[in-house]
Amino acid sequence: GAVVSQHPSWVICKSGTSVKIECRSLDFQATTMFWYRQFPKQSLMLMATSNEGSKATYEQGVEKDKFLINHASLTLSTLTVTSAHPEDSSFYICSAPPGQGYNEQFFGPGTRLTVL
Amino acid sequence: GENVEQHPSTLSVQEGDSAVIKCTYSDSASNYFPWYKQELGKGPQLIIDIRSNVGEKKDQRIAVTLNKTAKHFSLHITETQPEDSAVYFCAARPGGGSNYKLTFGKGTLLTVNP
Repeated sequence: GAVVSQHPSWVICKSGTSVKIECRSLDFQATTMFWYRQFPKQSLMLMATSNEGSKATYEQGVEKDKFLINHASLTLSTLTVTSAHPEDSSFYICSAPPGQGYNEQFFGPGTRLTVL
Repeated sequence: GENVEQHPSTLSVQEGDSAVIKCTYSDSASNYFPWYKQELGKGPQLIIDIRSNVGEKKDQRIAVTLNKTAKHFSLHITETQPEDSAVYFCAARPGGGSNYKLTFGKGTLLTVNP
């Protein structure tokens, strides 16, 4: 299957700082990527749809200014958590279909964010 | 929007037994139904999927069945092994392109006891 990577795999930061998480498609071009967050023992919650070359589409209730998404190339999308607070601590996961018109979505390994 | 219900939330079986996880969906426009396995601290891994023009699909010990009329689909794992222990998520989405969003069930924690 298609390979999606994320970096970093975990990060610890102080409250008030910003953290950038990268999502890369390693062996395919992804015009669309999805960002999820997952709390312990809960399901995946879609945060936003990232589209290459255009603005991301955010789900209801997700703060656009808090979670900045940039999809600058066909293989890279970034999620920046701005002015992070302890309640932003979560597992952040990205996914991407392996190409246009594909139904499948392949997920990255996730990034564990802990805000102190 | 789509709503996916998944049962049971936890399932414990003995090694070698079968495990069945069931999901129902609400949107009749949904026509793609993947199942994901998530191990602790890792991202979900696609293990099998089914499209609405198919009633059943099998891949070795894993099978998925779909009943479009009743709007439910199920994951069947036979001859379970300890390494099958994980959280399993079902999902549904409308087809027609890669921009469509998946709606996930709440997950099932499967424990296979040796």
